[in-house]
Amino acid sequence: NAGVTQTPKFQVLKTGQSMTLQCAQDMNHNSMYWYRQDPGMGLRLIYYSASEGTTDKGEVPNGYNVSRLNKREFSLRLESAAPSQTSVYFCASRPSTEAFFGQGTRLTVV
Amino acid sequence: AQSVAQPEDQVNVAEGNPLTVKCTYSVSGNPYLFWYVQYPNRGLQFLLKYITGDNLVKGSYGFEAEFNKSQTSFHLKKPSALVSDSALYFCAVINMDSSYKLIFGSGTRLLVRP
Repeated sequence: NAGVTQTPKFQVLKTGQSMTLQCAQDMNHNSMYWYRQDPGMGLRLIYYSASEGTTDKGEVPNGYNVSRLNKREFSLRLESAAPSQTSVYFCASRPSTEAFFGQGTRLTVV
Repeated sequence: AQSVAQPEDQVNVAEGNPLTVKCTYSVSGNPYLFWYVQYPNRGLQFLLKYITGDNLVKGSYGFEAEFNKSQTSFHLKKPSALVSDSALYFCAVINMDSSYKLIFGSGTRLLVRP
């Protein structure tokens, strides 16, 4: 089993460009999450999805959109990237208890 | 509002000594509590969880944590620290009564010196 897979692993964007971060899990988990990690700020929840077809805002949703098209995949979209969105992004999935994390996407916006 | 506080940015301990990493939480319902560890340039690895039952829970690599409902705390402990325990530790909480929102603290860097 691959677990939680994030693509890409690294990305550099110019200010104003758009992109989608992909996340897929093969563990049949209902809940999925997107976080960003910044020095001194810990992990901050951007969006989450309790089940297929539902999404909810987390702590820092501004500037992001998400799609949960099926149970496996939960994508995060930046419509117009800003330097403040430079961060490491983590996707996670959760059955009923602990969450399982992907290896992260390091995004730099210049 | 749901929140997690890790009051110490860094904890320093000598190898062989006991360690404690503090965590307090705030939720309106019954909490599920978790500890995760992150090594440099890696994702988060699950250490242990409190769901219900015994207040002292044991996890991976000799770590344990004590749930204290009256103090709303879930401190991570280990009787004898190893240099290899040096990493970033995160506490997390979810309110299973009303939400699937999983919230993390700001993290505590543990440095174990030889």
